[in-house]
Amino acid sequence: NAGVTQTPKFQVLKTGQSMTLQCAQDMNHNSMYWYRQDPGMGLRLIYYSASEGTTDKGEVPNGYNVSRLNKREFSLRLESAAPSQTSVYFCASSSDRERLETQYFGPGTRLLVL
Amino acid sequence: AQKITQTQPGMFVQEKEAVTLDCTYDTSDQSYGLFWYKQPSSGEMIFLIYQGSYDEQNATEGRYSLNFQKARKSANLVISASQLGDSAMYFCAFSGAGSYQLTFGKGTKLSVIP
Repeated sequence: NAGVTQTPKFQVLKTGQSMTLQCAQDMNHNSMYWYRQDPGMGLRLIYYSASEGTTDKGEVPNGYNVSRLNKREFSLRLESAAPSQTSVYFCASSSDRERLETQYFGPGTRLLVL
Repeated sequence: AQKITQTQPGMFVQEKEAVTLDCTYDTSDQSYGLFWYKQPSSGEMIFLIYQGSYDEQNATEGRYSLNFQKARKSANLVISASQLGDSAMYFCAFSGAGSYQLTFGKGTKLSVIP
């Protein structure tokens, strides 16, 4: 099993450009998450999807949109990138929130917005 | 809102010695979970150990153990017999039973000295 995979690994954008970060998991998990990590800080939740067909905002959703394409895939879209969105983006998945299941993370995407 | 505090920005430990990384949390929830993750210089987030608020015994996973003191709201990570490969950032994270969000501390950078 690959676990949680993310593409791309690195990306450089110019201000105003758009892009989609892709995430897939092969653990048959119900819930998926997008976090961002900024220097000197822990991860902060952008959006999550509790189950296929649902998405909800996290702590820092402004400037992002998400799509839960199917049970395996959860994408994050930046419609008009800004320098403040320079960060490392992590996707994660977990099986069942009611039992406080562990979230497993992908390798991350490093995004630089110029 | 929950708050996670890691008071040690950086720690040094001699190889083969034990080390304790501190984590305190603030919550009014009765049911919650505490997690520790390791982030090596390569960037991925690796799950280490989990403690549920109703677990009567401290969690252990190999060389990792969690010193859980519920009344003091602390969940310190203990690494026994440190190895050079333990050099990394360590993050404590909190999840309430009714929340999808993991709230992360700012992390502790552990350096293992040969």
